[in-house]
Amino acid sequence: ETGVTQSPTHLIKTRGQQVTLRCSSQSGHNTVSWYQQALGQGPQFIFQYYREEENGRGNFPPRFSGLQFPNYSSELNVNALELDDSALYLCASSPSPGTPGEQYFGPGTRLTVT
Amino acid sequence: AQKVTQAQTEISVVEKEDVTLDCVYETRDTTYYLFWYKQPPSGELVFLIRRNSFDEQNEISGRYSWNFQKSTSSFNFTITASQVVDSAVYFCALSEAGNSGGSNYKLTFGKGTLLTVNP
Repeated sequence: ETGVTQSPTHLIKTRGQQVTLRCSSQSGHNTVSWYQQALGQGPQFIFQYYREEENGRGNFPPRFSGLQFPNYSSELNVNALELDDSALYLCASSPSPGTPGEQYFGPGTRLTVT
Repeated sequence: AQKVTQAQTEISVVEKEDVTLDCVYETRDTTYYLFWYKQPPSGELVFLIRRNSFDEQNEISGRYSWNFQKSTSSFNFTITASQVVDSAVYFCALSEAGNSGGSNYKLTFGKGTLLTVNP
């Protein structure tokens, strides 16, 4: 069984640019959640996708957007990058129905904005 | 609104010492789930335990034990006879029971406690 994978591992972008991060969910999981983890902080919920639709969103501006594909993989897009967007971005997949909060995390993508 | 507080930012112990990581939570839900995750330097979050709000029994798994007290809204984590490999950031997290669509809702994390176990 393949776990959650994310690409790329590391990324460096310039302020104002746009970035796309990718996540492949664990086999059989139809729900994907994205989290942002700033240095020294806990992960913060960005949004969740279930059956290709956004299913809950945290306190993040609209320039953070996402997609989920029929194979349940997902993308996180961030437009007009700001320095504060520098963080580890974690993707988590989960089965649904399933146990609430049961999420399996990928290794993350470390984004640096200069 | 949900909130998780981990008051201990950093803890340093010597190998074989016992250590307790504190977690206090706030929620208005009567049904909720509590979690502990470990994050080694590699960055991947490793699931350790999940408890639901109706089960206040303490749990032990090897050197790990968890103390859930609803009366004080706490879910503390104890490592007995700590080892160098236990060095990591530990996160406590809280989740609602989930929405009617059957999907799993968000995890609310604390800021984490950096545990350093010295040889």
